[in-house]
Amino acid sequence: GQQVMQIPQYQHVQEGEDFTTYCNSSTTLSNIQWYKQRPGGHPVFLIQLVKSGEVKKQKRLTFQFGEAKKNSSLHITATQTTDVGTYFCAGMGDSGGSNYKLTFGKGTLLTVNP
Amino acid sequence: KAGVTQTPRYLIKTRGQQVTLSCSPISGHRSVSWYQQTPGQGLQFLFEYFSETQRNKGNFPGRFSGRQFSNSRSEMNVSTLELGDSALYLCASSSNGEWEITDTQYFGPGTRLTVL
Repeated sequence: GQQVMQIPQYQHVQEGEDFTTYCNSSTTLSNIQWYKQRPGGHPVFLIQLVKSGEVKKQKRLTFQFGEAKKNSSLHITATQTTDVGTYFCAGMGDSGGSNYKLTFGKGTLLTVNP
Repeated sequence: KAGVTQTPRYLIKTRGQQVTLSCSPISGHRSVSWYQQTPGQGLQFLFEYFSETQRNKGNFPGRFSGRQFSNSRSEMNVSTLELGDSALYLCASSSNGEWEITDTQYFGPGTRLTVL
């Protein structure tokens, strides 16, 4: 079945440093979504990427979808303590027919030292 | 609009018992998905319902089942509980239509199930 690998598992940075998490799928994806889960909270949708090579920005966050639609990345510039949490990627398969499930990566836990 | 609500928020059960969790989606959302979240396995998809029909399911044993009612509210049931079923169970709704499968998932706060 489809697998989505996410690295690193943990990342600790000093406030102001940059942060990147990477997501790789074993199969081609129709789209990829990114979620953030604060400690003790639930996942909250950040963005969805659909097109090959797509790049989207949200303030200090930059999301990329690979040309082959099998990998993606999330980059945060100049981290802040409010960025703390676990970042998940979630891929939707591109196998044709009905496939109504997202496969989540295991997430990257980001901690920020003020 | 009110968000996704889940009840109960916390539950303690013993091995062998069964449990039913409830989820009320965002008003107007007809798609409801269930996930199990554990520290070791992360977020794992259980199943998704749309218009009272299960459209897809993950790789969980038959002890895990669900249903959806005509008002889109959903329940999931776990029978013969095992210690390994201890987890955060998250429900998510989306505005996916009959032919849409890629819309945003809005998660509820989850039900924390502890099996002793």
